[in-house]
Amino acid sequence: DQQVKQNSPSLSVQEGRISILNCDYTNSMFDYFLWYKKYPAEGPTFLISISSIKDKNEDGRFTVFLNKSAKHLSLHIVPSQPGDSAVYFCAASGGSNYKLTFGKGTLLTVNP
Amino acid sequence: DARVTQTPRHKVTEMGQEVTMRCQPILGHNTVFWYRQTMMQGLELLAYFRNRAPLDDSGMPKDRFSAEMPDATLATLKIQPSEPRDSAVYFCASGLVPAGPGRWVLEQFFGPGTRLTVL
Repeated sequence: DQQVKQNSPSLSVQEGRISILNCDYTNSMFDYFLWYKKYPAEGPTFLISISSIKDKNEDGRFTVFLNKSAKHLSLHIVPSQPGDSAVYFCAASGGSNYKLTFGKGTLLTVNP
Repeated sequence: DARVTQTPRHKVTEMGQEVTMRCQPILGHNTVFWYRQTMMQGLELLAYFRNRAPLDDSGMPKDRFSAEMPDATLATLKIQPSEPRDSAVYFCASGLVPAGPGRWVLEQFFGPGTRLTVL
């Protein structure tokens, strides 16, 4: 039973436009959410996070939005750049300070 | 620059053989995680350790997988015997648990992974 779902395996966007990556979760205990970015042949690296007490967190070109009632979060990248092309994983934490539950990832391709 | 290292980066083996993957966490980190990435399941947590003690290995097939931390600078994941369905990328990650109580989320630093192919 997947508790964190990224329903779009891939997304293609033109350089300079907005990229929106979506993530849904089912576990009401989750109270902290993270996005990781992964390039080929490398491990995932932390990108941005949000606590459930907030509905938005911004860091430069990256913004994460959280809709608790819908159990949905999204990552916005504006403007998108070719270097943003990577797999993006959504992850959630709840009840444990250690354990993260990951989605399957979305491959973002930003075309020049 | 501090990073998690994993060896080997690639491993091809035949079904039934023993496989050992090694991880060197970032110096000073006290928590280590093992993950497996497959197309079907995404990133799955197999096991994690704090201060070298296993805290949770419920994600790991117990009959063939084992994870240990012989010392603070080395974590190992063994598969014996290996099977074709074990083919995946195995990641190690480490983090530093802060002192004190409260709600926090551990930032995990991932290694580059070991790509395992079992024929």
